[in-house]
Amino acid sequence: EAGVTQSPTHLIKTRGQQATLRCSPISGHTSVYWYQQALGLGLQFLLWYDEGEERNRGNFPPRFSGRQFPNYSSELNVNALELEDSALYLCASSLARRPYSNQPQHFGDGTRLSIL
Amino acid sequence: AQTVTQSQPEMSVQEAETVTLSCTYDTSESDYYLFWYKQPPSRQMILVIRQEAYKQQNATENRFSVNFQKAAKSFSLKISDSQLGDAAMYFCAYRSLQSIIQGAQKLVFGQGTRLTINP
Repeated sequence: EAGVTQSPTHLIKTRGQQATLRCSPISGHTSVYWYQQALGLGLQFLLWYDEGEERNRGNFPPRFSGRQFPNYSSELNVNALELEDSALYLCASSLARRPYSNQPQHFGDGTRLSIL
Repeated sequence: AQTVTQSQPEMSVQEAETVTLSCTYDTSESDYYLFWYKQPPSRQMILVIRQEAYKQQNATENRFSVNFQKAAKSFSLKISDSQLGDAAMYFCAYRSLQSIIQGAQKLVFGQGTRLTINP
């Protein structure tokens, strides 16, 4: 079974540009989560998509946005890039949310975004 | 809001020895889940072990076990018979049951502990 796949592996941008990161969940998973792992700051929750809709977002500015496609893959878009956006962006997927569901989140290898 | 604290930025242990990684958390909730994830240099986050707060019995997965002290809000990870392949960043994470009911399901992570295994 293929795991969560993310592309690209590494992305280099300059300040003010826009970045698009992609994630394909494990087959059968409908929930996709995005996390930012900045150096020394651990993982911070960014966004959660389930069945095509944004269900929750973390404490990030609106320049961070995304979407989930009918095949449950997802994109994370970061507009007006700033130096502080340099980080590893991790995507995770899990089975569908339901009350009392406790499906573990399975992570991809991440996209390292470097802002020059 | 819940917070997770890992007070040990780095730990090292001799191969075949036992090491314990610390984690404390702050929450006003009574029902939740706790996790330990491992992130080797390959970057992929791998679930090591998880604990449901309503279970008094400590979770165990082969060489990995936890010491869950609910009253103290402590959730330490013990790795027995350490192996070179255990070298990684280890993250403790919290997920609220309430947030699951409401549909949030986000994980709250600690800052991580870098574990080095000395041959």
